[in-house]
Amino acid sequence: DSGVTQTPKHLITATGQRVTLRCSPRSGDLSVYWYQQSLDQGLQFLIQYYNGEERAKGNILERFSAQQFPDLHSELNLSSLELGDSALYFCASSVGPGAHNEKLFFGSGTQLSVL
Amino acid sequence: TQLLEQSPQFLSIQEGENLTVYCNSSSVFSSLQWYRQEPGEGPVLLVTVVTGGEVKKLKRLTFQFGDARKDSSLHITAAQPGDTGLYLCAGGVGNSGYSTLTFGKGTMLLVSP
Repeated sequence: DSGVTQTPKHLITATGQRVTLRCSPRSGDLSVYWYQQSLDQGLQFLIQYYNGEERAKGNILERFSAQQFPDLHSELNLSSLELGDSALYFCASSVGPGAHNEKLFFGSGTQLSVL
Repeated sequence: TQLLEQSPQFLSIQEGENLTVYCNSSSVFSSLQWYRQEPGEGPVLLVTVVTGGEVKKLKRLTFQFGDARKDSSLHITAAQPGDTGLYLCAGGVGNSGYSTLTFGKGTMLLVSP
């Protein structure tokens, strides 16, 4: 158990809909990261929050948004869903802003299926 | 964009066999990490290597960072069914954070009893 909690574990929805994925980082970790994993693209970095503020942005679509709340949990909002958004979405956390000497801990992921 | 190519994509072996998987790039990385991802779970960090030529051992797993810091290998001795999983390498540039970590697509390893 990594200590990172993601809910829900599975999500099935239809095209055009909007969903919210939730993540609680490990106790004491200030950074939360969101990744998307698909067979053809592999693991792609979406966005990072550090202590409530957006710190880095990756390949995140404009239809997607995220935030980190004062209690450090984070939500990833996906809207106007398309078939191609079907993927595993991972949340990860680290204690600091994300230097490579910090360890990155991943949650178990949310499997999103858009039908 | 820095790309990491992992090979082979899929490997199926019998328990007790040895194997090596590779992670190659045309780019230089300041650090290279290896993760193992089991079905239904997130990746778990196995090791970080930062020095060209560095070798690290973790029980039956041996990790090597290439001299030019463009490639890495993972060797498993006497593989066991518990080694089954997706092995991902990830390269970092400078110390600019995990946001700049580039992941390979992974090698799926299946070890049969």
